[in-house]
Amino acid sequence: QSALTQPASVSGSPGQSITISCTGTSSDVGGYNYVSWYQQHPGKAPKLMIYDVSNRPSGVSNRFSGSKSGNTASLTISGLQAEDEADYYCSSYTSSSTVLFGGGTKLTVL
Amino acid sequence: EVQLLESGGGLVQPGGSLRLSCAASGFTFSSYAMTWVRQAPGKGLEWVSVIYSGGSSTYYADSVKGRFTISRDNSKNTLYLQMNSLRAEDTAVYYCAKCGYSSSGAGMDVWGQGTTVTVSS
Repeated sequence: QSALTQPASVSGSPGQSITISCTGTSSDVGGYNYVSWYQQHPGKAPKLMIYDVSNRPSGVSNRFSGSKSGNTASLTISGLQAEDEADYYCSSYTSSSTVLFGGGTKLTVL
Repeated sequence: EVQLLESGGGLVQPGGSLRLSCAASGFTFSSYAMTWVRQAPGKGLEWVSVIYSGGSSTYYADSVKGRFTISRDNSKNTLYLQMNSLRAEDTAVYYCAKCGYSSSGAGMDVWGQGTTVTVSS
């Protein structure tokens, strides 16, 4: 059960767009449309931002979007705002009926 | 208001046991799978276990398999995690989370505030 692969850090200026990738295998990301993305601010619990690859829960800004191609899923944040600075984690359902998380990506808003 | 409240964390010696609880409110607890996720100090999220809505199906991360047991009492709207043979590497904040489905660990849409487990002599 190796973690999904995410970049350790990304950065962008206010108003810009950034994309965070999440790479797995055909046994997880590539095999199911059960990829989720979570935002976590320091000292806080994670918050669901995207589920089932590209769906946004009620209340999540439409600046957040998700997609998937093959074994790689992506989270795009458009119109970056200071409040978006946080850690972001992807997760995927797996063929073993377990869940894998990515290692996390620290987003810095310059 | 949909809410999850964990309890039961604390300091335990290596080899010891601890039982975490997670009290749910504001939603139909018996209709959803529930998970435990942990986060070691300064580290990322690690999925621990899932139990499906009826309680008969459970799955575990390899790191805890054989040592941890997840269970639920749908009559009490409560999720549990029995942790045995604890190791230093089990030290973490433990979160319970509600899944968006009855029989999948995907899409954790409600999270508790977390309870801290420290394994140390």
